[in-house]
Amino acid sequence: SQQGEEDPQALSIQEGENATMNCSYKTSINNLQWYRQNSGRGLVHLILIRSNEREKHSGRLRVTLDTSKKSSSLLITASRAADTASYFCATDAPYNTDKLIFGTGTRLQVFP
Amino acid sequence: EPEVTQTPSHQVTQMGQEVILHCVPISNHLYFYWYRQILGQKVEFLVSFYNNEISEKSEIFDDQFSVERPDGSNFTLKIRSTKLEDSAMYFCASKPDRTEAFFGQGTRLTVV
Repeated sequence: SQQGEEDPQALSIQEGENATMNCSYKTSINNLQWYRQNSGRGLVHLILIRSNEREKHSGRLRVTLDTSKKSSSLLITASRAADTASYFCATDAPYNTDKLIFGTGTRLQVFP
Repeated sequence: EPEVTQTPSHQVTQMGQEVILHCVPISNHLYFYWYRQILGQKVEFLVSFYNNEISEKSEIFDDQFSVERPDGSNFTLKIRSTKLEDSAMYFCASKPDRTEAFFGQGTRLTVV
């Protein structure tokens, strides 16, 4: 089993629509982070949510965390063509280690 | 805005050759990491480095890999004898404390 699985694997929407991506994980966490990756490029940190938080906002991004269901969602409102990218959730590993465990990612395509 | 800088952006090497990937983390950061992403796959943890020593390494990080922080600013990843399966995007990351990690743009390593 994998720590960090996103769904859907791919999502295509029109500009102006909202995009929702989900992430599930297996073990307890301290925090969960969302990253964005343009094709073949680096990882850009979007938002971090701690295990004692349920919701966090940053601009057009809204992240929720449900630790009872071990899941998180990333909502991008009023999407733009420039939002086209892959989005990954990453959890800190259990047992107080410092590494991040990344999910499989959601490829978002926003059509103008 | 400070950023993690990686060089080169693309490295092509022959199988069996040694490669060194370079990273300049953000200057006041204390924790350093290498991750890799094989094309189309997840981002995978390789190694973490803190207080001038390796704090954790993955199964991928075998004897062919080593890391150094030779001069207090650079953070290098060396692969002694590259294999075809080492072809991947390699990401360096740093963070000031136990919060979000900042990633570089990556080095695309192609082993031929």
